[in-house]
Amino acid sequence: EAGVAQSPRYKIIEKRQSVAFWCNPISGHATLYWYQQILGQGPKLLIQFQNNGVVDDSQLPKDRFSAERLKGVDSTLKIQPAKLEDSAVYLCASSLDAAEANYGYTFGSGTRLTVV
Amino acid sequence: GNSVTQMEGPVTLSEEAFLTINCTYTATGYPSLFWYVQYPGEGLQLLLKATKADDKGSNKGFEATYRKETTSFHLEKGSVQVSDSAVYFCALSRRDDKIIFGKGTRLHILP
Repeated sequence: EAGVAQSPRYKIIEKRQSVAFWCNPISGHATLYWYQQILGQGPKLLIQFQNNGVVDDSQLPKDRFSAERLKGVDSTLKIQPAKLEDSAVYLCASSLDAAEANYGYTFGSGTRLTVV
Repeated sequence: GNSVTQMEGPVTLSEEAFLTINCTYTATGYPSLFWYVQYPGEGLQLLLKATKADDKGSNKGFEATYRKETTSFHLEKGSVQVSDSAVYFCALSRRDDKIIFGKGTRLHILP
């Protein structure tokens, strides 16, 4: 089966600019996650979707970050305006449903964002 | 809250050496435990998992045993190879909940 697809792979922007990342999960996977991985740290969950509804966005900086999952398939994560501390790898993951988190889920290759 | 603590790196070993990367966790109930690996320039890959106490997860020569009494899930491999050089993340999840990761341990294997 095809894996989790993410684009772009790399992005360099200036602070205060906006940027968007795209994720296409594995076909049929209802649950989609966005994680932020800052250099030298473990991934941190930003937002979790179940189909097209938000399950957990408690750690999403809502003043600048937004995410949507229209039609319960693809998802877009946006940052506007970006700050230097947003430099990180943004990972998308998916699972059949939330209970599958108990067995691990599949990650995409990530988008590496550099804010200068 | 739930958390994972793993040994800090980098860990540098010679090829064919024995590897242990320590991981302990804090969680209520009985979480599932994981080791993920991240090779240079790539995304996270699930290496192995254990879903209940005393389970042993294994893959590619790596093993880890779910120890409820010591709240640990140490990663071991008997003979490492240069190709094992990567960052290793210990993680846990409760049912229907997100996966929580440790900070990662970078492993360097010297030929």
